Amino acid sequence: EIVMTQSPATLSVSPGERATLSCRASQSVSSNLAWYQQKPGQAPRLLIYGASTRATGIPARFSGSGSGTEFTLTISSLQSEDFAVYYCQQYNNWPPIMYTFGQGTKLEIK
Amino acid sequence: EVQLVESGGGLVQPGRSLRLSCTASGFTFGDYAMSWVRQAPGKGLEWVGFIRSKAYGGTTEYAASVKGRFTISRDDSKSIAYLQMNSLKTEDTAVYYCTRDVDYYDSSGYIYYYMDVWGKGTTVTVSS
Repeated sequence: EIVMTQSPATLSVSPGERATLSCRASQSVSSNLAWYQQKPGQAPRLLIYGASTRATGIPARFSGSGSGTEFTLTISSLQSEDFAVYYCQQYNNWPPIMYTFGQGTKLEIK
Repeated sequence: EVQLVESGGGLVQPGRSLRLSCTASGFTFGDYAMSWVRQAPGKGLEWVGFIRSKAYGGTTEYAASVKGRFTISRDDSKSIAYLQMNSLKTEDTAVYYCTRDVDYYDSSGYIYYYMDVWGKGTTVTVSS
């Protein structure tokens, strides 16, 4: 079973600055990685799929990179609405077939 | 507008059953796989299981924590996905989300999925 590990658990950044969130897979997932944003009391929202493709309607300040086991979500200039929890996720297409989420990174205002 | 609406949550005693529904609108439901994801209070996201579209056999996969207790089904004529939960445990307490899953093929020809639309969730509390 592939384990997804996100770091840091909490990231404190000032508005207007850049935020870099990391996600590591316990074995290669190629580019089959997605990122989601979740605000308090809301459902998660898809940001990035295929490691680097922005979902429909996602602002260009969000970018994803990486392949294999190391992935990064970068938010280039933080806006107030970006402070939230971010999850990475991979999908296993060989047994056991499953989705696996990272434990999340909370992005908070510094 | 593409929308997913979950229903059927509530308070249930340990060992009992509950069925959740996910009603879809704004897209051709039968063309998509559907997943259920849950989130225990104050915790992260946990995938529960999913059902493929009929084009891919309509088969299901489950997380180890629910396999044998939970069953996912779909009624494409009604655009509804179901999550039948039996033998509920206190640790099943969570908000349950349904998602629309998009399939794609990588350069090697293997199929992958990601979740592009989420419902607002329904709360299940398992307690005596």
